[in-house]
Amino acid sequence: GAGVSQTPSNKVTEKGKYVELRCDPISGHTALYWYRQSLGQGPEFLIYFQGTGAADDSGLPNDRFFAVRPEGSVSTLKIQRTERGDSAVYLCASSPSGGNQPQHFGDGTRLSIL
Amino acid sequence: GENVEQHPSTLSVQEGDSAVIKCTYSDSASNYFPWYKQELGKRPQLIIDIRSNVGEKKDQRIAVTLNKTAKHFSLHITETQPEDSAVYFCAASEGSSNTGKLIFGQGTTLQVKP
Repeated sequence: GAGVSQTPSNKVTEKGKYVELRCDPISGHTALYWYRQSLGQGPEFLIYFQGTGAADDSGLPNDRFFAVRPEGSVSTLKIQRTERGDSAVYLCASSPSGGNQPQHFGDGTRLSIL
Repeated sequence: GENVEQHPSTLSVQEGDSAVIKCTYSDSASNYFPWYKQELGKRPQLIIDIRSNVGEKKDQRIAVTLNKTAKHFSLHITETQPEDSAVYFCAASEGSSNTGKLIFGQGTTLQVKP
């Protein structure tokens, strides 16, 4: 498919564990965004990549959260020492080159911390 | 930073009626305003967007209006159908960064009764 792909679709883990969430953007899109959506809320911005670099990480809640995009395509969001409050749907979006261009979302990863 | 308020939180209409959802934003530098439709357990889907150099945009049964002076924008759905039932989110770009970072409203649950 040509859309944004996220894996896994669901992740259940215990408090204190480390998790990695993967996003494969639309081919050729240089801009990649991570958002977090809690139940009944709108998506909240976490981090924005332009190519390989994190151009804006102002939405990361604390230093347990980290994201990479080493080759300017696939991105991985990493969460260390998970807490129950990290439970949410983590959404990835991409756009052709950032700025005010339409962002297309993936299906998200539903993360549950027990 | 940008703040987006969305009203109403729930909206119920009869099939064939019109539905209007309103949003206000705080950052006068914001210049991009997309609307997303999200069905239960699915990804947010972009349905229409508007940029600050335009006052109105229409796509079949969906229209969006923007009042830059008052800093509010609205989604209008005419001739509603049961398949329009979903949660709708407005968003505004963070004007100061120009990265495309979106700030979302809290969402409106639209129910179209057959």
